[in-house]
Amino acid sequence: EVHLLESGGGLVQPGGSLRLSCAASGFTFSGYAMSWVRQAPGKGLEWVSSISGSADTTYYADSVKGRFTISKDTSRNALYLQMNSLRAEDTAVYYCAKDYAYGRTMIRGLIHDQWGQGTLVTVSS
Amino acid sequence: EIVLTQSPATLSLSPGEGATLSCRASQSVSSYLAWYQQKLGQAPRLVIYDTSNRATGIPARFSGSGSGTDFTLTISSLEPEDFAVYYCQQRSRWPVTFGQGTRLEIK
Repeated sequence: EVHLLESGGGLVQPGGSLRLSCAASGFTFSGYAMSWVRQAPGKGLEWVSSISGSADTTYYADSVKGRFTISKDTSRNALYLQMNSLRAEDTAVYYCAKDYAYGRTMIRGLIHDQWGQGTLVTVSS
Repeated sequence: EIVLTQSPATLSLSPGEGATLSCRASQSVSSYLAWYQQKLGQAPRLVIYDTSNRATGIPARFSGSGSGTDFTLTISSLEPEDFAVYYCQQRSRWPVTFGQGTRLEIK
């Protein structure tokens, strides 16, 4: 059974940094692309970033480009999101999500077939 | 970026009725359109991918159709557990984008 568990959220001041983690189990982690998707309180879903299975390709939303970095450690079955220069508008629940297909190229975006339960990031002074 | 517009914003129906949710793209996404269901306090759940393919464990009362810029999620006969917020998502071009959601509520 696929299991995704996010951690690392919390309260941080504007301009601060935070690193989110997503522990993955139940599937061959190195073969699947992964994403981070966020949801501000009471709002809809916003795609943040995706990374290929082999970690050689990454994409970012314009709203986080240059501030956030996605990475994955296949030896630890872990996905990360390093978030720097945080702003109030980054306040959200952050979900990690797995792609539907093994070994998919990233010519197109992902089908997010499994999601974690999310971790809340609050950016406030 | 491709903008997805969902309608209606809220749909009020009774169990047993049929539901039709729409998603319109600002440019063609071919067939690369997915639907997700989200209940309050829960993570999203994949319902339909690539326009018309049901995800694992999704009942047959859910179906998807469309192509290009206009897509529909149909629920043939609503069960109590179907009332939730539904989001469409395109993966045709980066950046991946989501619609703003349709809230399906009990009348």
